[in-house]
Amino acid sequence: GQNIDQPTEMTATEGAIVQINCTYQTSGFNGLFWYQQHAGEAPTFLSYNVLDGLEEKGRFSSFLSRSKGYSYLLLKELQMKDSASYLCAVILDRGSTLGRLYFGRGTQLTVWP
Amino acid sequence: NAGVTQTPKFQVLKTGQSMTLQCAQDMNHEYMSWYRQDPGMGLRLIHYSVGAGITDQGEVPNGYNVSRSTTEDFPLRLLSAAPSQTSVYFCASTQDRGPGNTIYFGEGSWLTVV
Repeated sequence: GQNIDQPTEMTATEGAIVQINCTYQTSGFNGLFWYQQHAGEAPTFLSYNVLDGLEEKGRFSSFLSRSKGYSYLLLKELQMKDSASYLCAVILDRGSTLGRLYFGRGTQLTVWP
Repeated sequence: NAGVTQTPKFQVLKTGQSMTLQCAQDMNHEYMSWYRQDPGMGLRLIHYSVGAGITDQGEVPNGYNVSRSTTEDFPLRLLSAAPSQTSVYFCASTQDRGPGNTIYFGEGSWLTVV
């Protein structure tokens, strides 16, 4: 089976930096997504990595190491609205994205004032 | 832009009843899928479709049926609801011109089976 691990919960204070890790052991790999999901809402896209290295997009950055089966999402200058669940998802192979997309259980981030 | 529309948003069923969750997209996307999300769990793929007339099973297909008669619609049918099917259901679609293509999610359908 596919194994995607993330911490269940994290807390941080407003203005701080937090790193959410994701490790994966899957039967194939063709890219990794990070999604943000607020309670009662649909997931929204944050980032996509397929090559090793860091992708930066405003306050959010995502890193991938394919050799280590490891990714992280870095959130800077935390705001209260960043309190949400963060989902790591791996695309297994070169087939249909939707047919080969597996999600981790999500990391619930709480930002305190 | 309606995007991906799911109905109903909330539903309570009795064990053994059947129902259909509707999903429609107006973006002419070829690829559509259904996920379920349970507390403390990530999204798990139920069924997906790569075009009209073509469907396939995902990770947790048992107890669910799908069909894709048009590009726009991808309904999910529960034939005989069970309490284990209490969950939040998300429909998603993408044009899927590459693995990094944007995936659009519906707003979710909350289903309770009593």
